[in-house]
Amino acid sequence: DIQMTQSPFSLSASVGDRVTITCRASQNINSNLIWYQQKPGKAPKLLIYATSSLQSGVPSRFSGSGSGTDFTLTISSLQPEDFATYYCQQNSSTPLTFGGGTKVEI
Amino acid sequence: QVQLVQSGAEVKKPGASVKVSCKASGYTFTSYGISWVRQAPGQGLEWMGWISAYNGDTDYPQKVQGRVTMTTDTSTSTAYMELRSLRSDDTAVYYCARGGRSLPGSMDVWGKGTTVIVST
Repeated sequence: DIQMTQSPFSLSASVGDRVTITCRASQNINSNLIWYQQKPGKAPKLLIYATSSLQSGVPSRFSGSGSGTDFTLTISSLQPEDFATYYCQQNSSTPLTFGGGTKVEI
Repeated sequence: QVQLVQSGAEVKKPGASVKVSCKASGYTFTSYGISWVRQAPGQGLEWMGWISAYNGDTDYPQKVQGRVTMTTDTSTSTAYMELRSLRSDDTAVYYCARGGRSLPGSMDVWGKGTTVIVST
């Protein structure tokens, strides 16, 4: 199984900050990397697929980059509604696997 | 609008089975698949498997292989996940999510989740 490791586990930031979350795969997954946002008590929401493609309706302050084993989610200017937990997921091969999550706090 | 509506919360005893439903609307059901993902209390996301609503192909992770069965009813656009021989560590919120037709892929539409509690 492909292991996905996210860092940091959590971070504190302020509105307007630039935030970067990293995700590392245990083997090459090419560009098969997805990012989700989850708020407490809610289902995850798809943000980015295929490493850098923004899902329809997702604000452009979210962006993704990387390839192979190392990937990044960037929020260019953090907004109040962005405080949440973010998960990466690989869909290079099954079983699909998720990172452990990064909680973005005020 | 595109949505997935899941069945209500369940409380089961260890060793029992649970069957969760996920009714799709707003899109052509057979053009996609459905993945199931669970989240134990305070924990991360775990993929439970996928079924193609197009041809019924399934893909289950080894961890639950033999205990899980995913099915679809195309006449009602509903997907089902049955988990057997329940243990306390199966206590979680179970989500269905729309995925690829031929491969699991990314999950772009999610249900609100079904809480399953396994307890004596």
